[in-house]
Amino acid sequence: DTEVTQTPKHLVMGMTNKKSLKCEQHMGHRAMYWYKQKAKKPPELMFVYSYEKLSINESVPSRFSPECPNSSLLNLHLHALQPEDSALYLCASSHLAGGLTDTQYFGPGTRLTVL
Amino acid sequence: AQKITQTQPGMFVQEKEAVTLDCTYDTSDPSYGLFWYKQPSSGEMIFLIYQGSYDQQNATEGRYSLNFQKARKSANLVISASQLGDSAMYFCAMSPSGGYQKVTFGTGTKLQVIP
Repeated sequence: DTEVTQTPKHLVMGMTNKKSLKCEQHMGHRAMYWYKQKAKKPPELMFVYSYEKLSINESVPSRFSPECPNSSLLNLHLHALQPEDSALYLCASSHLAGGLTDTQYFGPGTRLTVL
Repeated sequence: AQKITQTQPGMFVQEKEAVTLDCTYDTSDPSYGLFWYKQPSSGEMIFLIYQGSYDQQNATEGRYSLNFQKARKSANLVISASQLGDSAMYFCAMSPSGGYQKVTFGTGTKLQVIP
């Protein structure tokens, strides 16, 4: 089973709202990722968690706040977003294969619209 | 630094025909992995196939095969017996080996299968 789930599927929010995106995997993976994808572009990495610790932050604005409560869950808290933050937000997870190359498995994404 | 180049923004293929999607890469890492992902209009990034840089044989997964030519730094995806459901965006990607690593994506090729 290579399933990563994300909720909600769609989200519309105002610039003053606070909302959260949720990602879950039950594959025993120890790395989890958040990506942002604009239309007709490849995904852009935002954050990486490994063993529930933030390992990579790709200079993401503080209005995006990630959280990894346990090894299966990854949240992305959103506050005071801008219309240009409207995008598809993808979560992924990977095994952490030591010296080998990890394969990232993606969820279905959350389509976010900021009004 | 790593770079992935996909030179075909869009392609058409007749149903039941085979199609090759081109991907070239550049890296200074001695060990790396190459991936292909499929992204239908629904948004989910679906992992298709993986090739390790030291793998002697080309990877195959059902109707998908990866034509890996290390000296030419190419990793083309071959889809045999195209189906209407193969219509999607296809991303070539690569990552260095070892733990969690930043994945570099190409710009994608949009494949349309014609009945």
